[in-house]
Amino acid sequence: DTGVSQDPRHKITKRGQNVTFRCDPISEHNRLYWYRQTLGQGPEFLTYFQNEAQLEKSRLLSDRFSAERPKGSFSTLEIQRTEQGDSAMYLCASSQSGSTDTQYFGPGTRLTVL
Amino acid sequence: TQLLEQSPQFLSIQEGENLTVYCNSSSVFSSLQWYRQEPGEGPVLLVTVVTGGEVKKLKRLTFQFGDARKDSSLHITAAQPGDTGLYLCAGDDSGGYNKLIFGAGTRLAVHP
Repeated sequence: DTGVSQDPRHKITKRGQNVTFRCDPISEHNRLYWYRQTLGQGPEFLTYFQNEAQLEKSRLLSDRFSAERPKGSFSTLEIQRTEQGDSAMYLCASSQSGSTDTQYFGPGTRLTVL
Repeated sequence: TQLLEQSPQFLSIQEGENLTVYCNSSSVFSSLQWYRQEPGEGPVLLVTVVTGGEVKKLKRLTFQFGDARKDSSLHITAAQPGDTGLYLCAGDDSGGYNKLIFGAGTRLAVHP
């Protein structure tokens, strides 16, 4: 399977705990994006990597959020001291820079903070 | 701030009916994409439109990009229960990093 994969698919945690999500992009894609989707809304941009460089971060990404893409391949998104408002679907997408730069999404990680 | 508004928010129809959903903005987008999303899954790309006035067909689905590249529509002919899902439009914000600006989606239910 050459699609975008995310792990875990579901995560339930207690308020105040730290969580980490992983995204494996399509292998030849140099761009990787994280989005967050809450119930009844479309995805909202969080952050973007080109290769290993994090080039843009949304103001939605508070100090409790950090993302890495150490070798320009997989990426991790960590949330520290989770809050109930962090409950959402976290989506990863990848693309190859070019004329249309179409983004392909993974299945997402559903986070529930109790 | 670029925004995409989708209408209607919800659509419930019988199998065999035709429908159109709309995606409108006051901003110009360099490209616009339509995705379909099933519950608990990530969005799946249906089409990308790039040129103003462009029309693309995907079986029973017809996508149109407005001449000014500010709006788009999705028309489904003879809807089937398998078309049920959340239809999202997303615009490329042209800020250099191609991050997508999504609408809130149209939730379609097609009943047998």
